[in-house]
Amino acid sequence: NAGVMQNPRHLVRRRGQEARLRCSPMKGHSHVYWYRQLPEEGLKFMVYLQKENIIDESGMPKERFSAEFPKEGPSILRIQQVVRGDSAAYFCASSWGDEGETQYFGPGTRLLVL
Amino acid sequence: ILNVEQSPQSLHVQEGDSTNFTCSFPSSNFYALHWYRWETAKSPEALFVMTLNGDEKKKGRISATLNTKEGYSYLYIKGSQPEDSATYLCAPPPAGTASKLTFGTGTRLQVTL
Repeated sequence: NAGVMQNPRHLVRRRGQEARLRCSPMKGHSHVYWYRQLPEEGLKFMVYLQKENIIDESGMPKERFSAEFPKEGPSILRIQQVVRGDSAAYFCASSWGDEGETQYFGPGTRLLVL
Repeated sequence: ILNVEQSPQSLHVQEGDSTNFTCSFPSSNFYALHWYRWETAKSPEALFVMTLNGDEKKKGRISATLNTKEGYSYLYIKGSQPEDSATYLCAPPPAGTASKLTFGTGTRLQVTL
């Protein structure tokens, strides 16, 4: 059973470009979470999605960031007009349910904004 | 904002030593506590999800206990090995949200020969 998959693993963007990060949850999991680790900081929650629904986006920056989890295909975290402060490791996790279920993490995408 | 504290911040032990560290969290409206192990350049690995006061869980040489009334959890490693070197994170979800994990800063464990 493949684990949570994220791609790309490394992404380099210039300021002002768009970054698209993809996450394929574990088979059978319909709950997806995105976390961010800024340099020298811990993991911080960004957004929680179920298929076609955003459940909690309280950790998402108000501008330039969006997330979706369509009926078919991976979850996408999209960052428009990237700035240097967006450089971070972005981790996706998935779970079978949401009531205290274990969240399984992917390998992360390291975003570097030049 | 949920205040999660882990101590110590870092720990250096010899192979074969047993060790433990602490996760403290607000005891009101507790729902669950997640423990993760995070090795450098890898993804966080789930260890335990604990929900009941007095819970004790074990996975090989690693075990954890939970006290929801006083708001703390202990993680124990018996007979530490170099491969146990990692950062150990705890994460309780805030009250009212079962899924939004709030991670502590972690305890960084280094086990040497």
